[in-house]
Amino acid sequence: QKEVEQDPGPLSVPEGAIVSLNCTYSNSAFQYFMWYRQYSRKGPELLMYTYSSGNKEDGRFTAQVDKSSKYISLFIRDSQPSDSATYLCAMSRSMFSGGYNKLIFGAGTRLAVHP
Amino acid sequence: EAQVTQNPRYLITVTGKKLTVTCSQNMNHEYMSWYRQDPGLGLRQIYYSMNVEVTDKGDVPEGYKVSRKEKRNFPLILESPSPNQTSLYFCASSLSGGPSYEQYFGPGTRLTVT
Repeated sequence: QKEVEQDPGPLSVPEGAIVSLNCTYSNSAFQYFMWYRQYSRKGPELLMYTYSSGNKEDGRFTAQVDKSSKYISLFIRDSQPSDSATYLCAMSRSMFSGGYNKLIFGAGTRLAVHP
Repeated sequence: EAQVTQNPRYLITVTGKKLTVTCSQNMNHEYMSWYRQDPGLGLRQIYYSMNVEVTDKGDVPEGYKVSRKEKRNFPLILESPSPNQTSLYFCASSLSGGPSYEQYFGPGTRLTVT
């Protein structure tokens, strides 16, 4: 079983839709949760970062972490064609459990927002 | 401009012919890392370096070597490439090795081994 599971999609939505992207994980030691966005033929770039549980909002993007269910989500409101990309969830343990900056990534979900 | 650069961006080679993929960052970052990205498997760490002359294996180190002689450079060496090393490779760097530090990724190197 992979430590981090993510539906690869593809997910196709119309412009303006609310998009929900999700990951589940098995390692309860994960404390840091990130979402990276990767455009075609580019490297991933950090989109959202959350420590431990809770919600974090940044413009049209909201990240949620539910540690009790080992489930994280990224919501995109009013989706735009420019949001078309692959979204990768990533997780890391705390420094106190040997968590140097090693990220465990999900496989990525490909999102297409059509006009 | 702050960035991580990789060269070459595309490479086609034959089994057994040694190759090096270069990685350089201009942000004075301590931590650097190499990942490979394969469909359905996501990004998997190959090697990482906490600082000059300090390197360690990631999850999939077999068939790869690295060195960190200068802070800015972290080359990836495939001494005898095999077809199962055909993949998309990313170099990344961050200010420090703590898990809360953002990793900055290079543009990727697409390697095909025939």
